[in-house]
Amino acid sequence: KAGVTQTPRYLIKTRGQQVTLSCSPISGHRSVSWYQQTPGQGLQFLFEYFSETQRNKGNFPGRFSGRQFSNSRSEMNVSTLELGDSALYLCASSLGSGGYQPQHFGDGTRLAIL
Amino acid sequence: AQKVTQAQTEISVVEKEDVTLDCVYETRDTTYYLFWYKQPPSGELVFLIRRNSFDEQNEISGRYSWNFQKSTSSFNFTITASQVVDSAVYFCALSEAGAAGNKLTFGGGTRVLVKP
Repeated sequence: KAGVTQTPRYLIKTRGQQVTLSCSPISGHRSVSWYQQTPGQGLQFLFEYFSETQRNKGNFPGRFSGRQFSNSRSEMNVSTLELGDSALYLCASSLGSGGYQPQHFGDGTRLAIL
Repeated sequence: AQKVTQAQTEISVVEKEDVTLDCVYETRDTTYYLFWYKQPPSGELVFLIRRNSFDEQNEISGRYSWNFQKSTSSFNFTITASQVVDSAVYFCALSEAGAAGNKLTFGGGTRVLVKP
């Protein structure tokens, strides 16, 4: 069974640009969550999508947005990039959205802002 | 608001020693779920174990065991007879049943280095 797939693996952007990251969940999983990991702030929840609806959102500015498609694949977009957005962005999928089921993570997209 | 604290930032052991990772959590929910994840250098977070707030039975799974104590809000994790492949960063995480969705709150992580 294929795991969570995130593309691209690495990305370099400059300040002010925007970026779109993609996540394909495990087959049959309907929930996709996104996390940001930085050395200073650790792992922080960005948002979760379930059945194409945003279920929960973390404490991030509106520059961070996402969506989910009918096949459960998800994209995350960050506009007007800032140096502080440099991070490892992790996507996780799970069967449901009740907090009980373990989330399974992808390898992440490492984003560097110059 | 929920919070997870892992006081140990780094632990270094020699192979075959046991390693115990501490985790203390805060939550106002009466129903919640606790997890341990492992992050090897490759970056992917690997799910290890889950415990429900209403089940305080401690278990052993292979070389892994965990000690959940609701009275002290602790969820400690032990690796028995550590191996070099256990070297990774270990994260404790909390999910509240009352919160909408699958939001995980992570601790800061404990880096484990197992030397041969």
